[in-house]
Amino acid sequence: TQLLEQSPQFLSIQEGENLTVYCNSSSVFSSLQWYRQEPGEGPVLLVTVVTGGEVKKLKRLTFQFGDARKDSSLHITAAQPGDTGLYLCAGSSNNAGNMLTFGGGTRLMVKP
Amino acid sequence: NAGVMQNPRHLVRRRGQEARLRCSPMKGHSHVYWYRQLPEEGLKFMVYLQKENIIDESGMPKERFSAEFPKEGPSILRIQQVVRGDSAAYFCASSPVGQGYEQYFGPGTRLTVT
Repeated sequence: TQLLEQSPQFLSIQEGENLTVYCNSSSVFSSLQWYRQEPGEGPVLLVTVVTGGEVKKLKRLTFQFGDARKDSSLHITAAQPGDTGLYLCAGSSNNAGNMLTFGGGTRLMVKP
Repeated sequence: NAGVMQNPRHLVRRRGQEARLRCSPMKGHSHVYWYRQLPEEGLKFMVYLQKENIIDESGMPKERFSAEFPKEGPSILRIQQVVRGDSAAYFCASSPVGQGYEQYFGPGTRLTVT
């Protein structure tokens, strides 16, 4: 069974601070996705990374896929209250079909 | 381009009744996935369907749950004889052909069993 562990589970910071969220596994994934979910809504896809070592940037968000494709990180620069939400990583692997395995999520609160 | 649509958004059923959840994928997507999010738990895969075919149902409970994606119309997740433990948010996702890992989610159906 593939597992994805996210850390930290909860994070409360002040506006303007930087933060990093981690997503780790002992399994290799062929791709990894980051989602953001608001209360009462479905997850919204932020980014997909597929190549080991890949780095993608989305405005103030930087996503990195580990060289061995077992881990990923999400770094937010100068966090804003609008970044508040639940961040989920999800991985897929070739031997698990198209099923996504989700991490437990990191609940971020950015205080003004 | 409309996103994934799910209805109803909220569904209340008494124990023993049937629940039917509908999902229309994004335009151009032919792959549909259902996930369940139990209170205070993460999203768990249930089933993966293509038109008229169930591709992977490894995450779906063996009893009372079924899913279909007919040639015409939305995908339907059916739960028969619901129990309180079925109360959860059920999310549908869709993906384009050849990019099954890139799944776009609908807003979910929140099922409450009383």
